Amino acid sequence: VLTQSPLSLPVTPGEPASISCRSSQSLLHDSGYNFLDWYLQRPGQSPQLLIYLGSDRASGVPDRFSGSGSGTDFTLKISRVEAEDVGVYYCMQALETPRTFGQGTRLEIK
Amino acid sequence: QVQLQESGPGLVKPSQTLSLICTVSGDSISSGNHYWSWIRQPAGKTLEWIGRIYTSGATNYNPSLESRVTISVDTSKNQLFLSLSSVTAADTALYYCVRDWGGAHPDYWGPGTLVTVSS
Repeated sequence: VLTQSPLSLPVTPGEPASISCRSSQSLLHDSGYNFLDWYLQRPGQSPQLLIYLGSDRASGVPDRFSGSGSGTDFTLKISRVEAEDVGVYYCMQALETPRTFGQGTRLEIK
Repeated sequence: QVQLQESGPGLVKPSQTLSLICTVSGDSISSGNHYWSWIRQPAGKTLEWIGRIYTSGATNYNPSLESRVTISVDTSKNQLFLSLSSVTAADTALYYCVRDWGGAHPDYWGPGTLVTVSS
C-alpha cells in the first residue's frame, strides 16, 4: 500500500513544494534501485511520467522536479512551483505486479 | 513519437463483456523492449493497474480482476486488446493503454477511453 501526504497542496507560484509517499513494504530491489515512480496528471490529461527509480527524471522533465528516498519513504520536490505544475501527483510502485498507486496529491496554485 | 489510441464502445450493459482496442504507432509491440499494459481510473479516483502483456504473449493480471480479464495482442496490426467480462457499474472508468518501458515504468499513455456500464 502506498500512502501519500498531503492529499491537497496549495502553493504560491515560485515557492517550493514537497509530497511524501510511504510504502507498506520496501521498494528497494536487489539491484540497489528503488522501484518507485512519480506521475503528474494535469487536468483533463493522461498521467505523465516525471521520476522513475525513485530519483531519475524522465526525458523532458524540468530540473525543478526531483525525487529522493529509499526503502519505504520517498519524496517528490518541486523547487519553484509554476502554474503548469497544477494537477494530481501519484506515486507508483514498480517493484512487483500488480502495480499499485498512491491516492494522489492535488497541487493547486494559491 | 510513440502514440497509443484506445477505441471501443463507450457504453456496456451490466453482465456483458467490455472490449477495447489500443492501436500503437511509433513503436512496435513485437520489438521486445517493453511490456504493454492497461490501467483504468474511475472518475475522481486513483489509478488501478489491470494487467500487462509481453510480445511473447506472457501476461500478468491484477488478482482483483484476473478471473474476468484477458489481454492479448495482434503484432501484425500493432494492436493491444482488453477484454473484461461480467462487468458491473464498478467497472465504469477511463481506460488507458500504456507502454511499460523496460517492463517497469509506464512512460507513454493513450488519451484514455471512457467506458460506462449501465443498462
